[in-house]
Amino acid sequence: NAGVTQTPKFQVLKTGQSMTLQCAQDMNHNSMYWYRQDPGMGLRLIYYSASEGTTDKGEVPNGYNVSRLNKREFSLRLESAAPSQTSVYFCASSENYSWARSGANVLTFGAGSRLTVL
Amino acid sequence: AQSVTQLGSHVSVSEGALVLLRCNYSSSVPPYLFWYVQYPNQGLQLLLKYTSAATLVKGINGFEAEFKKSETSFHLTKPSAHMSDAAEYFCAVIPDSSYKLIFGSGTRLLVRP
Repeated sequence: NAGVTQTPKFQVLKTGQSMTLQCAQDMNHNSMYWYRQDPGMGLRLIYYSASEGTTDKGEVPNGYNVSRLNKREFSLRLESAAPSQTSVYFCASSENYSWARSGANVLTFGAGSRLTVL
Repeated sequence: AQSVTQLGSHVSVSEGALVLLRCNYSSSVPPYLFWYVQYPNQGLQLLLKYTSAATLVKGINGFEAEFKKSETSFHLTKPSAHMSDAAEYFCAVIPDSSYKLIFGSGTRLLVRP
C-alpha cells in the first residue's frame, strides 16, 4: 500500500549544485504533479504530466525541469540550485487530469522532500 | 488573480469546541472545491470535496463543509475538536476550465487541552 513514494526525504545543497527528486506511484494513475510548499503560500504547482509522454508548466516552473520516465515515475530536476528553491516539495498523482469529466479526481500526495539550498 | 482565500493563518480552539475554518473562492465556472489536511511531516490527505452535488459535504473524521454560492464560501466545520485534529488545513479550488487545482495558503489548527 505504498501510494506515492518520494526520494530523498531531506537534502541540503550548495548554491549552483544540481539534483533530482524522484517520485513513483503504484496506483496506475495517469497524471502526476510536482508542487512546492512555502510558509504562508500554500502549495504551488511547478510542473505536471497529464499523461505518460506529456509534461506542462504550472504556476512556478522557472529553475526546474521534469521528466515523465514512464507511467509510474515523474522526476523533478534542479539544474543550478538557488536559495529561493529552499522548500518542501510534494509529488502527487491522480487517475487523470480532466477533473470535470471524471467527477473531480482526488490527488494522492507523497510525504514530501525537504530541500535546503545554502 | 486570487482563486482561494483562507482567512486566518492560525486558529486555536479548546478540545471539545466548535472548529470553523474559513475559505472563500473566486471562479469563472461552477467550481470544484476541496479541503485537504496535512499532519506534521506528512503529505496532504483529502478531507472532503464538493462537485456540484449536495451543498453540504461530509468528510472524514467528523468534518463537513457547506458550499454557499451567494457568499462564494466553502467553510470547514467540526462540532467538537479533538487533540488529534491539530494539523494544517488547505482549501483548494478548480476555478476554471484549465482544470488546475489551486491551493489556499493554509490554516494551522491548534487544539488546546
